[in-house]
Amino acid sequence: DSGVTQTPKHLITATGQRVTLRCSPRSGDLSVYWYQQSLDQGLQFLIQYYNGEERAKGNILERFSAQQFPDLHSELNLSSLELGDSALYFCASSAPGQGGSFFGQGTRLTVV
Amino acid sequence: DAKTTQPTSMDCAEGRAANLPCNHSTISGNEYVYWYRQIHSQGPQYIIHGLKNNETNEMASLIITEDRKSSTLILPHATLRDTAVYYCIVRPGGSQGNLIFGKGTKLSVKP
Repeated sequence: DSGVTQTPKHLITATGQRVTLRCSPRSGDLSVYWYQQSLDQGLQFLIQYYNGEERAKGNILERFSAQQFPDLHSELNLSSLELGDSALYFCASSAPGQGGSFFGQGTRLTVV
Repeated sequence: DAKTTQPTSMDCAEGRAANLPCNHSTISGNEYVYWYRQIHSQGPQYIIHGLKNNETNEMASLIITEDRKSSTLILPHATLRDTAVYYCIVRPGGSQGNLIFGKGTKLSVKP
């Protein structure tokens, strides 16, 4: 158990819909990262938040957005969903310093 | 971030040591070597990291060459549960930056 909790574990929705994925980081970790893993693209970094502020952006589509709340949990919002958005979405958290990042078990999103 | 090169796949007999190589010839002086693994669509799992000295923890050992251009992750007694994709990543230490995952090495541990 990494200490990072993601909900829901599975999500099936239709094209054009909007969904929200939730992540609770490890206790005390200020950084939260979101990654997408699809079959053809591998693990891709989407966005990072640090203590409530956006810190870095990766290959995140404009239809996607995220935020980190005062209690440090984070949400990833995906809108106008397309079939190609079907993927595993992972959240990770890390503490300050050069230590590792710890990943949740992911949310499997299926867009039909 | 420096780029890494890993073999696509490797096999290892159960109970034997698994030695996974990684080349990172363009690594900068302030970049650390990190290893993660992913077991069948589970979340990636942090294994170990190092700068220039060899490191060991309860999961594995990390051997970094003196010129830091390559490293080897060693699983001393591989079990079937170690079957996974192993990723070698370099990134600046002390940073809170994201990880750039390559394709990794698919390690298959066989009975």
